[in-house]
Amino acid sequence: AQKITQTQPGMFVQEKEAVTLDCTYDTSDQSYGLFWYKQPSSGEMIFLIYQGSYDEQNATEGRYSLNFQKARKSANLVISASQLGDSAMYFCAMRERTSGTYKYIFGTGTRLKVLA
Amino acid sequence: DADVTQTPRNRITKTGKRIMLECSQTKGHDRMYWYRQDPGLGLRLIYYSFDVKDINKGEISDGYSVSRQAQAKFSLSLESAIPNQTALYFCATSVGPSSPYNEQFFGPGTRLTVL
Repeated sequence: AQKITQTQPGMFVQEKEAVTLDCTYDTSDQSYGLFWYKQPSSGEMIFLIYQGSYDEQNATEGRYSLNFQKARKSANLVISASQLGDSAMYFCAMRERTSGTYKYIFGTGTRLKVLA
Repeated sequence: DADVTQTPRNRITKTGKRIMLECSQTKGHDRMYWYRQDPGLGLRLIYYSFDVKDINKGEISDGYSVSRQAQAKFSLSLESAIPNQTALYFCATSVGPSSPYNEQFFGPGTRLTVL
């Protein structure tokens, strides 16, 4: 079974509108972390936002917010007021502790295209 | 200057050749990782190291080996490259669990093509 599932291979959004990128996860750990990374066409991986499993409030970082629904095991990324520079690949990732070590698991990504 | 650097940035090699990808970091992190990225598959973990004496296999370690020469250096080797190892390779670092975020910091990637 996939540990991290991103069901949207590609998304379009109009400039200045908000967009939600979906991410569901699967873990039996009580303590885990959820991350979103952006990968522009240049290839680098840019950390965007983090949500801890014990955090009661949804994480926010500027125009990025994470809609964390623990019972549903979802951690969707919301980008408000989309900009052309937001066009990129977006990866959801989870850090969990297994066999005494921390591991990071990545989803397959969602390619976002912002339209002018 | 970049905190996590990878050399080379691009490499074309032939089947059967030995190749080494190098990663250096100035972040002072103990933990280092090697991933490969293939279209449609996201990032998959090859090897990781939590300190100089600690090396662990990831989910796709076959055909690869690593060396942690120092806290700041972590090298990935392909002893005998094959075409299905053509991919984008990333090195990453992180602090230990004491950090509240514990996010990973990635190098710029190495694009490897095996002919």
